[in-house]
Amino acid sequence: ETGVTQTPRHLVMGMTNKKSLKCEQHLGHNAMYWYKQSAKKPLELMFVYSLEERVENNSVPSRFSPECPNSSHLFLHLHTLQPEDSALYLCASSHYPANYGYTFGSGTRLTVV
Amino acid sequence: AQSVSQHNHHVILSEAASLELGCNYSYGGTVNLFWYVQYPGQHLQLLLKYFSGDPLVKGIKGFEAEFIKSKFSFNLRKPSVQWSDTAEYFCAVNARTGGFKTIFGAGTRLFVKA
Repeated sequence: ETGVTQTPRHLVMGMTNKKSLKCEQHLGHNAMYWYKQSAKKPLELMFVYSLEERVENNSVPSRFSPECPNSSHLFLHLHTLQPEDSALYLCASSHYPANYGYTFGSGTRLTVV
Repeated sequence: AQSVSQHNHHVILSEAASLELGCNYSYGGTVNLFWYVQYPGQHLQLLLKYFSGDPLVKGIKGFEAEFIKSKFSFNLRKPSVQWSDTAEYFCAVNARTGGFKTIFGAGTRLFVKA
């Protein structure tokens, strides 16, 4: 366990489905992040939340919708995804503004069929 | 815009060989620098970090990295690799005035032959 827990570990969904990814941390961090990890590409920052406020939305399509109900929980709601959205979705947390490094979760392997 | 470049996508070494993975970034301001490692089937974890002070930083498992400001580089080194170092290594840069944005390189896959 890393201190950042992501569920589910694997998800297969059809293009018309609605699903949600969950991330939870109890490290006392005040910032949480969603990253997308695709093969042979750099990690892509999707969303950043600090103190439950979204502070970064990196031009992510609206079929991805984040939610941060409190400083310990972060969700990524998925709706009408495309096959090219298949990837490993990573949640991370850190202190802000002093970023001493991220703690990552194990990720959710998403396959869109 | 900030970017991070890792020179090698794949590196293959024999055990006991020395390792150096290159990382260059583009950003003119003050930065925090990181190396992360992802062992097969495991999560990304922090290997080492540089914020200020001695430009030679030491991390876990015998790794070290040197920040050369004039070259915008933060190369990762290990004098003698082991089979267990087989992993993917990511360089990352966080601009101190860049708010929350940490930019990652594309990663270098290291395979160490036993």
